[in-house]
Amino acid sequence: GAVVSQHPSWVICKSGTSVKIECRSLDFQATTMFWYRQFPKQSLMLMATSNEGSKATYEQGVEKDKFLINHASLTLSTLTVTSAHPEDSSFYICSAPTGASHETQYFGPGTRLLVL
Amino acid sequence: DAKTTQPPSMDCAEGRAANLPCNHSTISGNEYVYWYRQIHSQGPQYIIHGLKNNETNEMASLIITEDRKSSTLILPHATLRDTAVYYCIVRRTSGNQFYFGTGTSLTVIP
Repeated sequence: GAVVSQHPSWVICKSGTSVKIECRSLDFQATTMFWYRQFPKQSLMLMATSNEGSKATYEQGVEKDKFLINHASLTLSTLTVTSAHPEDSSFYICSAPTGASHETQYFGPGTRLLVL
Repeated sequence: DAKTTQPPSMDCAEGRAANLPCNHSTISGNEYVYWYRQIHSQGPQYIIHGLKNNETNEMASLIITEDRKSSTLILPHATLRDTAVYYCIVRRTSGNQFYFGTGTSLTVIP
């Protein structure tokens, strides 16, 4: 299947700093990508839809000024967690749809963020 | 969004078929059913999807009832590496967003 990568795979940062996570589609172009967050022993929660060439759309309850999304190209979306706090510690996962009708989403391996 | 309901956990003996059920009684006529699995600390892995016909690929089979209100994912010969959380998802026809439910934690027992 299609390959989606994320970088970094894990990051530890101090409270108050900002962290950028990259999501790349390696063998296909993606005009849309999705960002999820997953807390321990919980399911994935959709945070936002990243759109190439336009603003991201955020799910209800997700602060757009806290989680900045930039879809820089057809193969790259970035999520920046601004002024991170310990409660932002989580597993962040991106996905990108592919196929003739964008019918199948492929997920990245995830980025584990720990804010001290 | 069509909501899905899955049993929280299941066990299956190694080598036997694993049958994972999913209820999606509010599904719309043009919404697809998808199955993904997530092995601990990894991103979800695509397994299979379908609209109304049964589907089979190298990983699994998907059986969708005629009224489309439920489906079953079948892993024909479960191995220890199939131990994972399995998610049944109904895809919105606009926007392509996936909304994950709580999934079924499948444990394959030696």
